[in-house]
Amino acid sequence: NAGVTQTPKFQVLKTGQSMTLQCAQDMNHNSMYWYRQDPGMGLRLIYYSASEGTTDKGEVPNGYNVSRLNKREFSLRLESAAPSQTSVYFCASSLSGEEKLFFGSGTQLSVL
Amino acid sequence: GENVEQHPSTLSVQEGDSAVIKCTYSDSASNYFPWYKQELGKGPQLIIDIRSNVGEKKDQRIAVTLNKTAKHFSLHITETQPEDSAVYFCAASKGGSYIPTFGRGTSLIVHP
Repeated sequence: NAGVTQTPKFQVLKTGQSMTLQCAQDMNHNSMYWYRQDPGMGLRLIYYSASEGTTDKGEVPNGYNVSRLNKREFSLRLESAAPSQTSVYFCASSLSGEEKLFFGSGTQLSVL
Repeated sequence: GENVEQHPSTLSVQEGDSAVIKCTYSDSASNYFPWYKQELGKGPQLIIDIRSNVGEKKDQRIAVTLNKTAKHFSLHITETQPEDSAVYFCAASKGGSYIPTFGRGTSLIVHP
């Protein structure tokens, strides 16, 4: 099993460009999450999806949109990238009712 | 909402020494406290967790303690090894939500 797979691993964007970060899990988990990690700021929740067909805002949702395409896939979209969105993005998943998160290896995004 | 404070932000020890990382939380309803280890270039991975009905839990060289009254919990690593070098995150969550709030992380460096 691959676990949680994120693509791409690295991306450089210009201000104003758009892109979608992809995430897929093969563990039959119901819940999926998007976090961003910035130096000295820890892991901050952007959006989460408790189950297929539902999405909710986290702590820092501004500038992002998400789509829970099916049970396996949860994508994060930046419609108009800004330098403040330069960060490392992590996708995670968990079983419903379980607290343990399984993380992907991250996407390092730079917005120039 | 929940607020998790983590100290220190950086910890440097010699191989064989012990390392202690401390966290405090604000929401007395929180009842699950995981610790994640993030190695360079990878996503965080759960290494140990503790629930509010337990005061201490051990797993080989790592242990976690919880003081519910003071609302703080700690990670203890004994006989540190270079492979323990990583960023460690504490987190807190409560039943019904299961979404953890993370501390800002501690960069542990173990010198050979």
